[in-house]
Amino acid sequence: SQQGEEDPQALSIQEGENATMNCSYKTSINNLQWYRQNSGRGLVHLILIRSNEREKHSGRLRVTLDTSKKSSSLLITASRAADTASYFCATVLQGGSEKLVFGKGTKLTVNP
Amino acid sequence: EAGVAQSPRYKIIEKRQSVAFWCNPISGHATLYWYQQILGQGPKLLIQFQNNGVVDDSQLPKDRFSAERLKGVDSTLKIQPAKLEDSAVYLCASSLGSAWTLHFGNGTRLTVT
Repeated sequence: SQQGEEDPQALSIQEGENATMNCSYKTSINNLQWYRQNSGRGLVHLILIRSNEREKHSGRLRVTLDTSKKSSSLLITASRAADTASYFCATVLQGGSEKLVFGKGTKLTVNP
Repeated sequence: EAGVAQSPRYKIIEKRQSVAFWCNPISGHATLYWYQQILGQGPKLLIQFQNNGVVDDSQLPKDRFSAERLKGVDSTLKIQPAKLEDSAVYLCASSLGSAWTLHFGNGTRLTVT
């Protein structure tokens, strides 16, 4: 079963613009991670944010986490054509086997 | 550091045939995962190993899917017999431990005709 739900399902922007993707989840988490997947490739880890953190930065990426609303957002600033990919949020549920559960993803297209 | 290796890259089989996928994780990674990714969806966990023991296989269709992790290193995933709905990309990933960041291979794209 899917825990995270990304929004929007697809996003198309121009190079240089910012891209914002959102993720909502259902149950309490230990951490939330964002991954990128280029067409025909495996997923690549971007950033991990723990349940006691509210914001994290990595280069052009900014992730926020609001545990009261059970939601997270990924902001990519000054987008480039190379950022074209699918982006997935993944959550580690509290308790259980600590497995990573992925959402359905947001397909981002950055037009040159 | 070498990444997660998977083979084959592509496989086409007829329904009711069997198929096997192989994965070599990053050296030293204790946890190994097999995910199934159907086109347009996110990866779904099939099985998670900690060293050579199974941690979670709750979503593995055990009547047709099997997996093993040899000596806590390489792993194979087998489907026998295959169904049309098994057409998907099978992704292997590894991590230092549970709940850590995952490193993925490029996957095996399976087409069942």
